[in-house]
Amino acid sequence: DAKTTQPNSMESNEEEPVHLPCNHSTISGTDYIHWYRQLPSQGPEYVIHGLTSNVNNRMASLAIAEDRKSSTLILHRATLRDAAVYYCIPRDDKIIFGKGTRLHILP
Amino acid sequence: EPEVTQTPSHQVTQMGQEVILRCVPISNHLYFYWYRQILGQKVEFLVSFYNNEISEKSEIFDDQFSVERPDGSNFTLKIRSTKLEDSAMYFCASTFLLGGNYGYTFGSGTRLTVV
Repeated sequence: DAKTTQPNSMESNEEEPVHLPCNHSTISGTDYIHWYRQLPSQGPEYVIHGLTSNVNNRMASLAIAEDRKSSTLILHRATLRDAAVYYCIPRDDKIIFGKGTRLHILP
Repeated sequence: EPEVTQTPSHQVTQMGQEVILRCVPISNHLYFYWYRQILGQKVEFLVSFYNNEISEKSEIFDDQFSVERPDGSNFTLKIRSTKLEDSAMYFCASTFLLGGNYGYTFGSGTRLTVV
């Protein structure tokens, strides 16, 4: 499995954009980049995934570097409900969680 | 939106007892998983299941653990003789197809407390 590096924690103000970085320099050419999040006392929740191109959905945007060695999850307007642990997971098979980034949202 | 349903939400059991954790995956999903999360630690993969057999299991998934899909809808995790260190949140997940282009849907989990 490709190794990832994410900040242990980040902080953002409510209603401001948040950029969550992830380095995955050993990713293989066929691994998709998945992002999941885990809200307090809940199971992991799928957020977004992509291969090479940037992706948007109703929850977030995913910006993937041209060399695919890093990606950034973008929450366009953070709310208190977005406070969670965010996991970046390069995968072609089963999902393996790392420690993720704990995102704190300040009101 | 389709959900993965897990029951019970909280189970308390005595050490040495057998427990069965139940999951109803999304109906058209074909691949099923169990994960666990000890309090304050990361989510750990236990086992994957496809076509009525285990496709992969981790070191954690020893002989005390078993999984079953007894009918067309349920997916169960059995722990034969629980230990204190089995206390954790257990999450079930399912997906439609393998491969990186499909996400997993996770249940809300069962909190298992072994006393």
